[in-house]
Amino acid sequence: GAGVSQTPSNKVTEKGKYVELRCDPISGHTALYWYRQSLGQGPEFLIYFQGTGAADDSGLPNDRFFAVRPEGSVSTLKIQRTERGDSAVYLCASSPAGRNYGYTFGSGTRLTVV
Amino acid sequence: TQLLEQSPQFLSIQEGENLTVYCNSSSVFSSLQWYRQEPGEGPVLLVTVVTGGEVKKLKRLTFQFGDARKDSSLHITAAQPGDTGLYLCAGDLTGANNLFFGTGTRLTVIP
Repeated sequence: GAGVSQTPSNKVTEKGKYVELRCDPISGHTALYWYRQSLGQGPEFLIYFQGTGAADDSGLPNDRFFAVRPEGSVSTLKIQRTERGDSAVYLCASSPAGRNYGYTFGSGTRLTVV
Repeated sequence: TQLLEQSPQFLSIQEGENLTVYCNSSSVFSSLQWYRQEPGEGPVLLVTVVTGGEVKKLKRLTFQFGDARKDSSLHITAAQPGDTGLYLCAGDLTGANNLFFGTGTRLTVIP
């Protein structure tokens, strides 16, 4: 596609529920990143994919968070047993071959856990 | 502790004024990028600086990378309301797989 697409744009869920956030990167971009941004703060790194594999998941806060990219294109961030502290904007970015080229971000998914 | 600290955190100025935003770290970066983010949108890349001391201009915006590649500044001349947004610096740390983003500067330009 022309840009990075993230769905849904907004998600409200109850504490303890499971959520999936989807990212459709720019076609041909091999690198895909997930970041989390709290209100008024800079994005914080969660996980990086190069192709189909998670090359670096050191930013995932705990084992309730998991992400996949099975065919090297679309990625899904999965959060189990959501907590109120998980409320944030989840941003996805893609890049042709890595961070040196700069990222193209999607508009994000605003997750609210009530 | 944030790897990149930006200052000021908030800035509100009148249209036509000049301003400078700073991005500082104790770490050395192989490159540094600046992004602007508007409400409800993702950050948009403005520029990448690679060489220590490098200066890049983008219309009324001037970006400088520090000689030691630990800091950067963004200067805006004759600010306009369209410059309003959250400005983020992001550093490429050798050996890391991701960009590290700064704390952000929220700029408001009043007409």
